[in-house]
Amino acid sequence: EPEVTQTPSHQVTQMGQEVILRCVPISNHLYFYWYRQILGQKVEFLVSFYNNEISEKSEIFDDQFSVERPDGSNFTLKIRSTKLEDSAMYFCASRDRVNSYEQYFGPGTRLTVT
Amino acid sequence: GEDVEQSLFLSVREGDSSVINCTYTDSSSTYLYWYKQEPGAGLQLLTYIFSNMDMKQDQRLTVLLNKKDKHLSLRIADTQTGDSAIYFCAERGTGRRALTFGSGTRLQVQP
Repeated sequence: EPEVTQTPSHQVTQMGQEVILRCVPISNHLYFYWYRQILGQKVEFLVSFYNNEISEKSEIFDDQFSVERPDGSNFTLKIRSTKLEDSAMYFCASRDRVNSYEQYFGPGTRLTVT
Repeated sequence: GEDVEQSLFLSVREGDSSVINCTYTDSSSTYLYWYKQEPGAGLQLLTYIFSNMDMKQDQRLTVLLNKKDKHLSLRIADTQTGDSAIYFCAERGTGRRALTFGSGTRLQVQP
């Protein structure tokens, strides 16, 4: 069964460093998302991406964040200058056009900023 | 803004039914979801319901929607130890692509 994959599973970085989190959505999907979950808190929406552009973003997704689909398979989230409060589990999700109500999530990348 | 609330913990005995409840505030919610998260794993889509439905059954899972009270529930029949996980309720409003999640209910199944 096709699934969303994410790498790495755990990333440790120092405050102020740039990180890139990688996702490979399900191959025929057209809509892509990033969510995050700070430990003990709710899963929060960050951004959605369709047709090579951001279609919706939350207040959390400020200028420190960017997304890219560099090739036909990867979808990345970049944090330019990480802060301690960026420590969280980051989930990528995707959905196709036909089953537009079903978002499928990856296993997540745990980001720890020290 | 939109909000989704769930109770934090539920403990049941193996073989019993589990009922996990959720309330939401967005009256324009068109899709409501249940996701399951096992330790160290991602969010697995369990089931969903459209806002024009009252009930949906899928094997051991029954979803009930009371749109008037903005209340959603997930019933798991014959709960097994493998059902132990965190269950997230989520909603998606009209015209939005993002899901709004609840805090998750940790289901503990005792043998």
